[in-house]
Amino acid sequence: RKEVEQDPGPFNVPEGATVAFNCTYSNSASQSFFWYRQDCRKEPKLLMSVYSSGNEDGRFTAQLNRASQYISLLIRDSKLSDSATYLCVVNRGAGGTSYGKLTFGQGTILTVHP
Amino acid sequence: DTGVSQDPRHKITKRGQNVTFRCDPISEHNRLYWYRQTLGQGPEFLTYFQNEAQLEKSRLLSDRFSAERPKGSFSTLEIQRTEQGDSAMYLCASSLGSAKLLYEQYFGPGTRLTVT
Repeated sequence: RKEVEQDPGPFNVPEGATVAFNCTYSNSASQSFFWYRQDCRKEPKLLMSVYSSGNEDGRFTAQLNRASQYISLLIRDSKLSDSATYLCVVNRGAGGTSYGKLTFGQGTILTVHP
Repeated sequence: DTGVSQDPRHKITKRGQNVTFRCDPISEHNRLYWYRQTLGQGPEFLTYFQNEAQLEKSRLLSDRFSAERPKGSFSTLEIQRTEQGDSAMYLCASSLGSAKLLYEQYFGPGTRLTVT
């Protein structure tokens, strides 16, 4: 079983739609959670960190459920420019320990069409 | 531009040759990471440094791979005797060592390696 699992999609939605992505992680010791966005043949860019209380940044809302080991990303009022691959990312680090690696899901492809 | 930079951006080499990539992190970041990404997959962790110390290495990092960060600033990743399976995007990332932002990593544009 992969450590971080995502539905690869693709998700094809019209402009203005609301779309949700889900992700599960297997390691209950995971401490930090993120969503990254990656455009075709570009590097991943940090979209948002995911906090236990949930957090919102404009049209984007991220939720974390530690009990179910589940992370979600909601995009409201989709724009053409939201078309990208969305990567669910988990880190096992805790405090000052040496766990630095990020573990990425496969990514979910989103295409927003006019 | 004060982001992470990588050089070269593209490298085509013949099987069996050695290649070396360079990464310059964001200047105030003391942690530096290397990842590899193949088509249709998320990046996979290879190794990371805190200052000049290499703290963790993935099992993906075979004996043909070596990474250094001699002065705690830029880092190099060398692949010896390249194989076709080494063809991938090699990504470098850096992060601050503060407790709050410890794990927010910022990526460079990557080096795309093609082994023929």
